[in-house]
Amino acid sequence: DTGVSQDPRHKITKRGQNVTFRCDPISEHNRLYWYRQTLGQGPEFLTYFQNEAQLEKSRLLSDRFSAERPKGSFSTLEIQRTEQGDSAMYLCASSSGKGRLEQYFGPGTRLTVT
Amino acid sequence: GIQVEQSPPDLILQEGANSTLRCNFSDSVNNLQWFHQNPWGQLINLFYIPSGTKQNGRLSATTVATERYSLLYISSSQTTDSGVYFCAVGGKSTFGDGTTLTVKP
Repeated sequence: DTGVSQDPRHKITKRGQNVTFRCDPISEHNRLYWYRQTLGQGPEFLTYFQNEAQLEKSRLLSDRFSAERPKGSFSTLEIQRTEQGDSAMYLCASSSGKGRLEQYFGPGTRLTVT
Repeated sequence: GIQVEQSPPDLILQEGANSTLRCNFSDSVNNLQWFHQNPWGQLINLFYIPSGTKQNGRLSATTVATERYSLLYISSSQTTDSGVYFCAVGGKSTFGDGTTLTVKP
């Protein structure tokens, strides 16, 4: 059973540039979640999908952030016009969505905005 | 939203010691997980425990849902247990700020 994978693992970008991250969930998991984690804090919920439908977005997700899961499989998170405050670890998780709500996390993408 | 508080924030132990980590939450939940975050940032699932008691080797966890708390027990700690332990509750996983455990040889 392949776990959750994320790509890239690290991204360094200049302020103002756009970046896109990819998440591949555990196969047959129909729920997919994005979180952001900054140093010294726990992960914070950003958004989640059930299949291809984006069901909830946190107020942390500004207009510069957009997430998609076009075919209900992998998902992308795009940040437009990056700011230094976007520097963080971006984590993806998936769950089966069938009664048991246990989430499994990927290794994360660490974003540094210079 | 749900508030999650973890205690203590930091814990330093000698190898072989036992420890108890606590997670308090502000509302009834149908999902509670404990994670260990390794130095590379990966969150490792320890327990899915919305209620009751579970054990896995040297680790065990108890959730008393009616009193809104969960406990993680680590016995005979090893240096490899070092890291940050998170409690996460609710369907969209609200995390506490974690307990940083350091086990000294």
